[in-house]
Amino acid sequence: DAKTTQPNSMESNEEEPVHLPCNHSTISGTDYIHWYRQLPSQGPEYVIHGLTSNVNNRMASLAIAEDRKSSTLILHRATLRDAAVYYCILPVYNQGGKLIFGQGTELSVKP
Amino acid sequence: DADVTQTPRNRITKTGKRIMLECSQTKGHDRMYWYRQDPGLGLRLIYYSFDVKDINKGEISDGYSVSRQAQAKFSLSLESAIPNQTALYFCATSDHRGPGDTQYFGPGTRLTVL
Repeated sequence: DAKTTQPNSMESNEEEPVHLPCNHSTISGTDYIHWYRQLPSQGPEYVIHGLTSNVNNRMASLAIAEDRKSSTLILHRATLRDAAVYYCILPVYNQGGKLIFGQGTELSVKP
Repeated sequence: DADVTQTPRNRITKTGKRIMLECSQTKGHDRMYWYRQDPGLGLRLIYYSFDVKDINKGEISDGYSVSRQAQAKFSLSLESAIPNQTALYFCATSDHRGPGDTQYFGPGTRLTVL
């Protein structure tokens, strides 16, 4: 299974952009890159996913490096409600779409 | 109403007791999953099911069993609970539209085994 590496923690100020990096140097050509986040005392929630091209949705943007060995989740204007643990995941599709959660990046947002 | 619900939300039990955690979903998804989360760690997959009566082991299935009798329900059982099964348990669903499909998680069940 391909592995992802993320910083343990990051800080941001409210209303400023946040760039959360993820390295996945062993990614295969068919692996999708998914991001989930887990707010305090809640279950994980889906944020965004992509394969090769950059992706945008109402929650965030995903920038994928040309060689696909890294990606960056971009929160355009952080709010206090964005304080959470963010997980970069490569689902394992030959095992039912298993999500392998590492330790993720704990994002704190300062007012 | 929440799409994925879990009962109970909190449970304290004693070593050796049998306990069942229930998961229900109204999303109409075929695939369901059980994960556990230990403090400071990510989630680990216990079991998953592609459809009714289909059961597959995850990475940490020892000490657990599951039942999928209906599309909307997926139950996790601990036949004889032990203290190191104290954890937060999450149920999830997905509709398997392809490699990009996403999982939707319930609110979790906090289980304490004394």
